[in-house]
Amino acid sequence: AQTVTQSQPEMSVQEAETVTLSCTYDTSESNYYLFWYKQPPSRQMILVIRQEAYKQQNATENRFSVNFQKAAKSFSLKISDSQLGDTAMYFCAFISYGGATNKLIFGTGTLLAVQP
Amino acid sequence: NAGVTQTPKFRVLKTGQSMTLLCAQDMNHEYMYWYRQDPGMGLRLIHYSVGEGTTAKGEVPDGYNVSRLKKQNFLLGLESAAPSQTSVYFCASTPRWSTLFFGPGTRLTVL
Repeated sequence: AQTVTQSQPEMSVQEAETVTLSCTYDTSESNYYLFWYKQPPSRQMILVIRQEAYKQQNATENRFSVNFQKAAKSFSLKISDSQLGDTAMYFCAFISYGGATNKLIFGTGTLLAVQP
Repeated sequence: NAGVTQTPKFRVLKTGQSMTLLCAQDMNHEYMYWYRQDPGMGLRLIHYSVGEGTTAKGEVPDGYNVSRLKKQNFLLGLESAAPSQTSVYFCASTPRWSTLFFGPGTRLTVL
């Protein structure tokens, strides 16, 4: 079975500092995508960043970057220069392709609070 | 494009009542999904569809039924609502094996 684990239920960071959110996953598939989604108080699910498993280079999107360790099945999110608007629930998610699953599996989330 | 829309946004039911949640997408996506979100449990997959006329069970399908008669619509039905079905429900769609686009969610309370 495929699983996604986020071991940090809550985190806090000061504005302008850097924070890293952890995520590990378990799968026997070789072709998959990994995602970080952000859910602010508005409840809307917003894509932060996406990583294709076949790519060795870590994905980056402005202040957001990932550390993808395929062998260790680890996919952490680094937020640089944290802003108050980054306060949200962050979900790590996994989807395999080419097989019979086609299901996006989520972790339980990390609630990030950015303090002024 | 409206993207993914969900109807209704809020609903309160009494135990035993039935209702249908509607998800619509205007992006011509093949795959559609229904998730429920509960505190501390992330998003859990209820049912999904890989094309018009097809549906499949996810992690937590009991008490729910779905239909995908048209490619753009994915309906989630509760035949006899129970308090355990109090949750926030999200619909999502994707062209195929790619980024999921989510609707705004429906908050359902079952008394």
